[in-house]
Amino acid sequence: EAQVTQNPRYLITVTGKKLTVTCSQNMNHEYMSWYRQDPGLGLRQIYYSMNVEVTDKGDVPEGYKVSRKEKRNFPLILESPSPNQTSLYFCASSLSPLGEGDPLEQYFGPGTRLTVT
Amino acid sequence: SQQGEEDPQALSIQEGENATMNCSYKTSINNLQWYRQNSGRGLVHLILIRSNEREKHSGRLRVTLDTSKKSSSLLITASRAADTASYFCATDPIYNQGGKLIFGQGTELSVKP
Repeated sequence: EAQVTQNPRYLITVTGKKLTVTCSQNMNHEYMSWYRQDPGLGLRQIYYSMNVEVTDKGDVPEGYKVSRKEKRNFPLILESPSPNQTSLYFCASSLSPLGEGDPLEQYFGPGTRLTVT
Repeated sequence: SQQGEEDPQALSIQEGENATMNCSYKTSINNLQWYRQNSGRGLVHLILIRSNEREKHSGRLRVTLDTSKKSSSLLITASRAADTASYFCATDPIYNQGGKLIFGQGTELSVKP
């Protein structure tokens, strides 16, 4: 089954304790992206990756890191989490970046609900 | 600011009725997409309409796009309780940077049995 998986689904942690949220897709998609969803602010892009070893900042990258060593995986790293990073996080992928060639929808993971105390 | 603005923010209807949600956006787009999100879960793609299309159908869904007014509507006909969810429009701007979709705030649809 074609899907985007994220782990963990739920995480409660304390300020300053490094954490990683994993994201994996089995569709051989080139493009992957991380969003956070907050009430009243909608979904905002954190980081994206056009392909292996190619990553770039989205709208709200502060406090986050990513890596893309393999095509299927795109982990989100919080080196020193803070309470303002409490949010619902989504990983998404598509065959190619939007704006290039035929329009393609993005496939979203199930979400990771992170609470930082 | 977010590209898409959706209206209404919340909609409550009875099963069997039609539900209409509207989306307005600010800049020229390649396409507009509608997504559905069940409470606290991932977004699921529903339908995509290109900028040169005016109307598109998929099952009980009908989407219209008016690029002159920079607006779109999503119509769900003969709604069911299982349609209860949040619905988001998302635009792919012409000058897309980062390949990201620009999401609206969403419409919360509640369909009562």
